[in-house]
Amino acid sequence: EDQVTQSPEALRLQEGESSSLNCSYTVSGLRGLFWYRQDPGKGPEFLFTLYSAGEEKEKERLKATLTKKESFLHITAPKPEDSATYLCAVNPNSGYALNFGKGTSLLVTP
Amino acid sequence: GAGVSQTPSNKVTEKGKYVELRCDPISGHTALYWYRQSLGQGPEFLIYFQGTGAADDSGLPNDRFFAVRPEGSVSTLKIQRTERGDSAVYLCASSLKSGANVLTFGAGSRLTVL
Repeated sequence: EDQVTQSPEALRLQEGESSSLNCSYTVSGLRGLFWYRQDPGKGPEFLFTLYSAGEEKEKERLKATLTKKESFLHITAPKPEDSATYLCAVNPNSGYALNFGKGTSLLVTP
Repeated sequence: GAGVSQTPSNKVTEKGKYVELRCDPISGHTALYWYRQSLGQGPEFLIYFQGTGAADDSGLPNDRFFAVRPEGSVSTLKIQRTERGDSAVYLCASSLKSGANVLTFGAGSRLTVL
């Protein structure tokens, strides 16, 4: 059975304090791994797609990496506006739906 | 439209009532997905449409839940005999095609069953 586990569940950082969020997955063939950001009261907003181990993608203060078993979302020098829930999802070869983890709730304080 | 539109944004109903939630996807997107998100949880897959047909409905929890997409655009999620456990945010997403493509989500419809 496909599984996505995100850690930590919650993370509090000071502004400028870099850290990483983890997404561990088990899937019978990976078509793609996705990172989304979700603000309160809104739908998830797409950040990155990674397709194969070793791939990396960057956007502003965020960098996503992928291995065969996990993905990391690195946040460099975060700002308060980076506060949100970050969701990881996998698209297995066996289907077309995304399977989401529970998310990591990030709070960045000034 | 510019984004995925969902109506109503909020719905409060009584246990046992029938509810319809509507999703208007991005124009030209052939794939449409319904998800359910409970507080503190990630989105949970319900059903996926490719065009007018439900290509995968394996996530529907029981036969009280049904969804249609008669013309391959707007979709309606229908919930019969609502229960308190159905309370959640129902998210709709669309993508240009199926496969490892980016899903664009709507803001969701928050359903509260009293």
